[in-house]
Amino acid sequence: AQKITQTQPGMFVQEKEAVTLDCTYDTSDQSYGLFWYKQPSSGEMIFLIYQGSYDEQNATEGRYSLNFQKARKSANLVISASQLGDSAMYFCAMRVPDNRLAFGKGNQVVVIP
Amino acid sequence: EPEVTQTPSHQVTQMGQEVILRCVPISNHLYFYWYRQILGQKVEFLVSFYNNEISEKSEIFDDQFSVERPDGSNFTLKIRSTKLEDSAMYFCASKERFSYEQYFGPGTRLTVT
Repeated sequence: AQKITQTQPGMFVQEKEAVTLDCTYDTSDQSYGLFWYKQPSSGEMIFLIYQGSYDEQNATEGRYSLNFQKARKSANLVISASQLGDSAMYFCAMRVPDNRLAFGKGNQVVVIP
Repeated sequence: EPEVTQTPSHQVTQMGQEVILRCVPISNHLYFYWYRQILGQKVEFLVSFYNNEISEKSEIFDDQFSVERPDGSNFTLKIRSTKLEDSAMYFCASKERFSYEQYFGPGTRLTVT
């Protein structure tokens, strides 16, 4: 079975600094994908970034980048130049073969001015 | 930008009552999903739907749950006889045929009293 692990406690980060959110995964599938979603206090789930298991380059989307280390089975999210609006819960998720998403428990990030 | 919409945003119901949660996926998307998130916990897959039938369902999706795409635009989740433990945020998601990205709606918060 596929498993996503996010174990960091809540994080405080200074505005304009970078923050790295850890995500490790476990799967026996050769083809899979990794997502990061942001969930602000209002509750919606916002897609941030996607990395396919066969993608050789690390995914980037604006201030978000995914540090994909396949051998270590990790897919860490890096948010550069944090903004106050980045305060949210961040979920790592894996696309499993039937295209459902398996989520981790999330990382809470609070950006302080 | 097209988005997934869900109604109602909040539903309060008494235990044993039936509820129907409604979703309008993005118009050219072909794959539809329901997930739920119990307060403070991770997001859990319920069911996926493609070509007018269920593709996959989780152990949570028992006989009390059903899904329907009644008119080509709406996608509904019905809970026949709600239990207290059904209280959660329910998210609808959809994706295009040749993309892995799932776009989530804003969620319906279901409170069973």
